[in-house]
Amino acid sequence: DGGITQSPKYLFRKEGQNVTLSCEQNLNHDAMYWYRQDPGQGLRLIYYSQIVNDFQKGDIAEGYSVSREKKESFPLTVTSAQKNPTAFYLCATSLGANVYGYTFGSGTRLTVV
Amino acid sequence: AQSVSQHNHHVILSEAASLELGCNYSYGGTVNLFWYVQYPGQHLQLLLKYFSGDPLVKGIKGFEAEFIKSKFSFNLRKPSVQWSDTAEYFCAASSNTGKLIFGQGTTLQVKP
Repeated sequence: DGGITQSPKYLFRKEGQNVTLSCEQNLNHDAMYWYRQDPGQGLRLIYYSQIVNDFQKGDIAEGYSVSREKKESFPLTVTSAQKNPTAFYLCATSLGANVYGYTFGSGTRLTVV
Repeated sequence: AQSVSQHNHHVILSEAASLELGCNYSYGGTVNLFWYVQYPGQHLQLLLKYFSGDPLVKGIKGFEAEFIKSKFSFNLRKPSVQWSDTAEYFCAASSNTGKLIFGQGTTLQVKP
């Protein structure tokens, strides 16, 4: 059963702590993406990776970091430098060049307490 | 700069009413256009997409969209909405090799 697995579904973090969100895919897609979804702002791109061991900043990369050591995995770390981390985070994949659209995971809702 | 803009943030319709959600984009060169839907508590799903050819594209669940190049628009339409169409709708655009850029989203509420 192919798909994208994001974990955990809900995550609570204390201010000042780093936290890592997991995204795993078994679709054999080359490209992976992290978006942040906030009400009234749509989805904004944080980071993306088109091949293993390479990634680029999106529109709102400050306070986030990623790695792409394996094709299947693209974890996102929300650092303490991110000023407003409470949000819904979506991972997506695409098959090479973006002519087919993206496949999305079910998301992780991060709340800073 | 590349951007996507959705005109309506919140739309309320009665069942059987017709739907049109506006989407405008700002892109240089070749553009691919998409509409995604997010039903409450579910994943984002692709409704339809346009790459080239016939500017009127048909998607799932009776939705269609028309690409009007001169107006930089890709509006989503459905002749008769159902209560089950209640969801958030996102327009998105990309170049062939670039990342997907989303509009702000439109929340559609259909009253039974």
